[in-house]
Amino acid sequence: AAGVIQSPRHLIKEKRETATLKCYPIPRHDTVYWYQQGPGQDPQFLISFYEKMQSDKGSIPDRFSAQQFSDYHSELNMSSLELGDSALYFCASSYTGDRSNQPQHFGDGTRLSIL
Amino acid sequence: AQSVSQHNHHVILSEAASLELGCNYSYGGTVNLFWYVQYPGQHLQLLLKYFSGDPLVKGIKGFEAEFIKSKFSFNLRKPSVQWSDTAEYFCAVNGGGSARQLTFGSGTQLTVLP
Repeated sequence: AAGVIQSPRHLIKEKRETATLKCYPIPRHDTVYWYQQGPGQDPQFLISFYEKMQSDKGSIPDRFSAQQFSDYHSELNMSSLELGDSALYFCASSYTGDRSNQPQHFGDGTRLSIL
Repeated sequence: AQSVSQHNHHVILSEAASLELGCNYSYGGTVNLFWYVQYPGQHLQLLLKYFSGDPLVKGIKGFEAEFIKSKFSFNLRKPSVQWSDTAEYFCAVNGGGSARQLTFGSGTQLTVLP
């Protein structure tokens, strides 16, 4: 079965640079979630989108922005990168269109390292 | 605000030992409960979930969990662990309404010795 696809798998940037992470949800999933997992920490919710509209916002810095496109893929844009942004960034998707409870399925993540 | 507490940071067991990982949550309404497993360098994989109904849920790889509403708990169990169960285990919760984002516990690292 198709899974959540994230790209790139690894990304190395320097301070103050920008980065764009991409997420392709499971087909027919209408909701995308972004999480940040720092070293040795639990995943922290950043932001989510339902039907291309932002649905919830968590601990996402103002330097970050995200959007969901017409094909349901999502991009997380990160600017003015800081050392503390080094983390594993997970995308998850689920289907919530019929308001039924559906679990989130996670991608392999993008490991972002800031030098 | 919802929160999840996992009591054990690191658990070390020998193969064939029984496992129970504790999870307590704090939330003021209907909750959905999950256990995810994360093998080294891999993504989070869903082990099992509870939405409603039978409070004893069975998941993949022989894992099960019991939802005890009065104790706000959702402990994960497995009668006999294997070396391949070595991984980090996260308990997570989300609300039953429109806020579907997951709140995770701090995770429990399970090491199974051969």
